[in-house]
Amino acid sequence: NAGVMQNPRHLVRRRGQEARLRCSPMKGHSHVYWYRQLPEEGLKFMVYLQKENIIDESGMPKERFSAEFPKEGPSILRIQQVVRGDSAAYFCASSGLAGDTDTQYFGPGTRLTVL
Amino acid sequence: SQQGEEDPQALSIQEGENATMNCSYKTSINNLQWYRQNSGRGLVHLILIRSNEREKHSGRLRVTLDTSKKSSSLLITASRAADTASYFCATDKDSSYKLIFGSGTRLLVRP
Repeated sequence: NAGVMQNPRHLVRRRGQEARLRCSPMKGHSHVYWYRQLPEEGLKFMVYLQKENIIDESGMPKERFSAEFPKEGPSILRIQQVVRGDSAAYFCASSGLAGDTDTQYFGPGTRLTVL
Repeated sequence: SQQGEEDPQALSIQEGENATMNCSYKTSINNLQWYRQNSGRGLVHLILIRSNEREKHSGRLRVTLDTSKKSSSLLITASRAADTASYFCATDKDSSYKLIFGSGTRLLVRP
């Protein structure tokens, strides 16, 4: 059973460009979460999605950031007009197997560098 | 402010010794989870302990939870160099899905 997959693993963007981060949850999981980690810090919750629904986006900046989890395909975290402060590691997690709904399994992360 | 805070921030021990990390939190929780993160990598889930549980074991790992003190500890016995990593506790302050992480304990196990 493949784990949570994220791509790309590393992404370099110039200021003003768009960044698209993809996450494929574990097989059978229907809940996806995005977190951001700054250097030397813990992860900060951004958004929680189920298929075609955003359940909680309280941790996501109102401007420039958006997330989706379509019926088919991976979840996408999109950052428009990136700025240097967006440089961080972005982790996706998934959960949802019956009897184990509370455990979140994390992907390897996408490390975004904004030049 | 952080819901979960680990201490110490950094810990250096000799291979074979035990390592104890602590986590304190502020509000009531449903679950508390411990994760390991190797440098530059993703998080690996170690253990989930529910609020009605006091102790849980998994291999060389032992986790305790004291809800009256709002604290948890992670004990790694007979440490190995491969245990070198950052360890995070994560709590679910408002719900069972929004995990709130502390800043982590950086463990170095010297061979």
